[in-house]
Amino acid sequence: QVQLVQSGAEVRKPGSSVKVSCKASGGTFNNYPITWVRQAPGQGLEWMGWIIPMFNTTKSAQKLQGRVTITADESTSTAYMELSSLTSEDTAVYYCASGRSGLFEYWGQGTLVPVSS
Amino acid sequence: SSELTQDPAVSVALGQTVRITCQGDSLRGYYASWYQQKPGQAPILVIYGRNKRPSGIPDRFSGSSSGITASLTITGAQAEDEADYYCNSRDISGNDQFAGGTKLTVL
Repeated sequence: QVQLVQSGAEVRKPGSSVKVSCKASGGTFNNYPITWVRQAPGQGLEWMGWIIPMFNTTKSAQKLQGRVTITADESTSTAYMELSSLTSEDTAVYYCASGRSGLFEYWGQGTLVPVSS
Repeated sequence: SSELTQDPAVSVALGQTVRITCQGDSLRGYYASWYQQKPGQAPILVIYGRNKRPSGIPDRFSGSSSGITASLTITGAQAEDEADYYCNSRDISGNDQFAGGTKLTVL
């Protein structure tokens, strides 16, 4: 059973960056894509992008291109999502998710990132 | 449309059947997957592929698809099924996308 454990809440100021980690255990880290999804307060789920650690292949939402960087460290089975040039609209809970064939079978617990001056 | 759309809210009487639908052009070529989310919790996968349920998901949950419409049906809705439901699919560019979600109320 795959478990995904994310880093803790991070408060950020507008214009800064945030880097959230997602450590996988109990499965084969390299085989499954790790996807990042965010959810603004009271809003729906928004797909941000994914990485396939085995191939170091990434894809990100066009809306976020240029601001989001998704990486993975195979040695520690950890994926990272870094988002730059933050605004209040980036205030959200950020989730990592993983599973077969791009399904989101396993989810992290979520990381709250409030962006406020 | 390249987007996925769902009705914002649906209600069902306890024990009755409810269908939640999701529409989008990408559903012609890709199966939808469905996620249930309760307040303060991460989503969980309830239906994927051609009507498949992950282990632990009750068999009252089922999925179907026709043309550009995917449906999640709950047969005999229970109080614990009250939640937000999201469909997800992949578009022709290889991007995943979620619909806006449906808030299900069990009366």
